[in-house]
Amino acid sequence: DVKVTQSSRYLVKRTGEKVFLECVQDMDHENMFWYRQDPGLGLRLIYFSYDVKMKEKGDIPEGYSVSREKKERFSLILESASTNQTSMYLCASSYTYSGNTIYFGEGSWLTVV
Amino acid sequence: GENVEQHPSTLSVQEGDSAVIKCTYSDSASNYFPWYKQELGKGPQLIIDIRSNVGEKKDQRIAVTLNKTAKHFSLHITETQPEDSAVYFCAANAGGTSYGKLTFGQGTILTVHP
Repeated sequence: DVKVTQSSRYLVKRTGEKVFLECVQDMDHENMFWYRQDPGLGLRLIYFSYDVKMKEKGDIPEGYSVSREKKERFSLILESASTNQTSMYLCASSYTYSGNTIYFGEGSWLTVV
Repeated sequence: GENVEQHPSTLSVQEGDSAVIKCTYSDSASNYFPWYKQELGKGPQLIIDIRSNVGEKKDQRIAVTLNKTAKHFSLHITETQPEDSAVYFCAANAGGTSYGKLTFGQGTILTVHP
């Protein structure tokens, strides 16, 4: 079975803190994604990566950055957390070509106070 | 970019009834349309998908239909059961070299009453 593991399920951070969300996949997938999920807005793409050290902005990249130093690991970074970044964050991975199944992790609930 | 609209936002049915969720998309180059089910406290899981070279696909009690001309696709669940209660998301890819990016609909909360 494909496994996408998000290291932190629940986090509470203070405004202005730097936050790291880590994600690891075990299927040797080329693509990795970070989505944000908010009620009524569905899943919105923050960043994705199609290869090590390669990244592209998604639909809502402002306030976020990412790092992909190894193929299996993709990190989402909030440089200075703000209350409007309180949300559920979902990591996902897939093989290269468009039309391949995207597999999701269990999600990380982030609360910024 | 791609835009996906999903309706309804909530759907309540009695056990045994059918449920239908509809989505429209904007990018005529899209050719892959998956549906995901998200149970409480879990990440979304793929339940069925359809590609643009077919109009309908069925897997036991769930089916998906695609109308490329009208740019809409639908999820049909027959003989609903309480365990079908979840949030359902439709999605569409962007055509061309999009590296598998998906644009998701807003989600439908399905409640099946015993």
